[in-house]
Amino acid sequence: EVQLVQSGAEVKKPGESLKISCKGSGYSFTSYWIGWVRQMPGKGLEWMGIIYPGDSDTRYSPSFQGQVTISADKSISTAYLQWSSLKASDTAMYYCARRARYCSGGSCSHNFDYWGQGTLVTVSS
Amino acid sequence: DIQMTQSPSSLSASVGDRVTITCRASQGISNSLAWYQQKPGKAPKLLLYAASRLESGVPSRFSGSGSGTDYTLTISSLQPEDFATYYCQQSETFGQGTKVEIK
Repeated sequence: EVQLVQSGAEVKKPGESLKISCKGSGYSFTSYWIGWVRQMPGKGLEWMGIIYPGDSDTRYSPSFQGQVTISADKSISTAYLQWSSLKASDTAMYYCARRARYCSGGSCSHNFDYWGQGTLVTVSS
Repeated sequence: DIQMTQSPSSLSASVGDRVTITCRASQGISNSLAWYQQKPGKAPKLLLYAASRLESGVPSRFSGSGSGTDYTLTISSLQPEDFATYYCQQSETFGQGTKVEIK
């Protein structure tokens, strides 16, 4: 059974650093991209970036480039999302998800087929 | 970047109703579209991918269609467990979401 299990909720102060995790199991962790998705309170889903654990190739949304760092440790099947200096506006639920690809007729479609349970990050002074 | 415009932002419907949600892309996306359902306090759940392919285990009352820039999610007969928020996704962009509420 494919599972993505995220680390627990965090309460931090502005300016602090943070690293949250997402551990995959039940599939070949190095063969699928893992993405991170932000959901601010009461708002929609935002694509932050993805990483390919096989070689750590990473892509960021322009909105999140330079704001967060995505990494992975394939030896323990875990992906990470980290901040060096949190802001109150980073308060949100963060989801990791496995990216699947379906190709047909020369074009490919990407989607997130398995999701972690989410990690709530609260940043408040 | 491709922009996705999802509509409506919310709708009220009754059990048994046929419900349609639309996503329009700013340029042609060659059926590269997924639909998700999210219930309060839960992670999103994949319903359809490649515009019309039903994810395993998803009830057949959910269907997707479209081509070019315009795509539709249809729930043929709304069930109590379908009241949720629905999102489309094209690659790196999610739609704004459609909240389906009980009339």
